[in-house]
Amino acid sequence: DIQMTQSPSSLSASVGDRVTITCRASQSIGTYLNWYQHKPGKAPKLLIYVASNLQSGVPARFSGSVSGTDFTLTISSLQPEDFATYYCQQSYVSPWTFGLGTKVEVK
Amino acid sequence: QVQLQESGPGLVKPSETLALTCAVSGGSITGHYWSWIRQPPGRGLEWIGHISHSGSATYNPSLKSRVTISVHTSKNQFSLSLNSVTTADTAVYYCVRYYSGYSYGYFDFWGQGALVTVSA
Repeated sequence: DIQMTQSPSSLSASVGDRVTITCRASQSIGTYLNWYQHKPGKAPKLLIYVASNLQSGVPARFSGSVSGTDFTLTISSLQPEDFATYYCQQSYVSPWTFGLGTKVEVK
Repeated sequence: QVQLQESGPGLVKPSETLALTCAVSGGSITGHYWSWIRQPPGRGLEWIGHISHSGSATYNPSLKSRVTISVHTSKNQFSLSLNSVTTADTAVYYCVRYYSGYSYGYFDFWGQGALVTVSA
């Protein structure tokens, strides 16, 4: 199975901050990487697909990029509703696997 | 807008079978793949498997020996069966649509999740 390693596992930030989350794949997965936002008690929400494509309805402050096997999710200006856990997921080969998540908390 | 809703027992005894159903509304179950994903308490997300509307299923090898996913197109539903459960199977179970493009895919519509506890 492809292992997805996210960092950091958690971070503290303030409203307005620029936040960067990284996900590294254990092997090459091209650009087959998706990002999700998950709030407690809610269904996870797709943010970014195929590394850098913004899902419809997702604010433009979210963006994704890739460099080799390293993927980055950036929130350009953190908003109150963005405090959540973020997961990456590879869709290169089955079984589809997720990172362990990055919890974005209030500083 | 596609909506998914899980239903089934919230408590299952060890060694018994966990069974959940997912009702799909706002769209046809025809096309795409329909998945189950779970999240044990305090842990990350684990893909269990998926099925096409035609009934072709793919499972995570880690659970393959215990899992069956079925589709019921006439009811616009699909279901999960996980046998010989242990406390390690306690989790929130999500039913999810897997959008499959030409060479890529992603999970775009999720149910709210159903907590299933395995306990005597």
